[in-house]
Amino acid sequence: DAKTTQPPSMDCAEGRAANLPCNHSTISGNEYVYWYRQIHSQGPQYIIHGLKNNETNEMASLIITEDRKSSTLILPHATLRDTAVYYCIVRVYYWDQGGKLIFGQGTELSVKP
Amino acid sequence: KAGVTQTPRYLIKTRGQQVTLSCSPISGHRSVSWYQQTPGQGLQFLFEYFSETQRNKGNFPGRFSGRQFSNSRSEMNVSTLELGDSALYLCASSGQGADTQYFGPGTRLTVL
Repeated sequence: DAKTTQPPSMDCAEGRAANLPCNHSTISGNEYVYWYRQIHSQGPQYIIHGLKNNETNEMASLIITEDRKSSTLILPHATLRDTAVYYCIVRVYYWDQGGKLIFGQGTELSVKP
Repeated sequence: KAGVTQTPRYLIKTRGQQVTLSCSPISGHRSVSWYQQTPGQGLQFLFEYFSETQRNKGNFPGRFSGRQFSNSRSEMNVSTLELGDSALYLCASSGQGADTQYFGPGTRLTVL
């Protein structure tokens, strides 16, 4: 079972910041938080991941709370092309065992003009 | 770098047939994972291959199998197709020492 809880849907106005929350209260110390998104019927696209520090890349920012029990993905200036299902995943990776991704239901983000 | 490629992109089969799907990982990536996506079950992990060895397996029947070649390309096979096998099959690759998985566009399988 997925170890994360996300709201099923959210709306955001074009040009505004989209803040997508994720709860992962049972996260372990060696588990990373990953975010992917999937635009209808395409393969999931990697966005960002982090362990305990906040992270930023060209696509988004990831804010992880100090207790690591929740996180927020921030799309600073949402566009219509950001409409997608966003998945928050916690994952531990063992070099010699690999690490599967366990997807939940995600958040369906609708960016509206 | 080219991304993950999957062939074919679309496939129609009938019940009882078998099917083979192909995945070419990003150049230099040695791990390939397969996932199934259906409207009812969402995205589910099938199996992972690394250096031609299966090192993780999801909860799917034995009709689902895979293999990986020395060039890291991977194939998955589904035998005795059932209607419920209709799904988007996704392949993802990751590199040595890196854990981020990058997905291909998927193969849409329809079983009639």
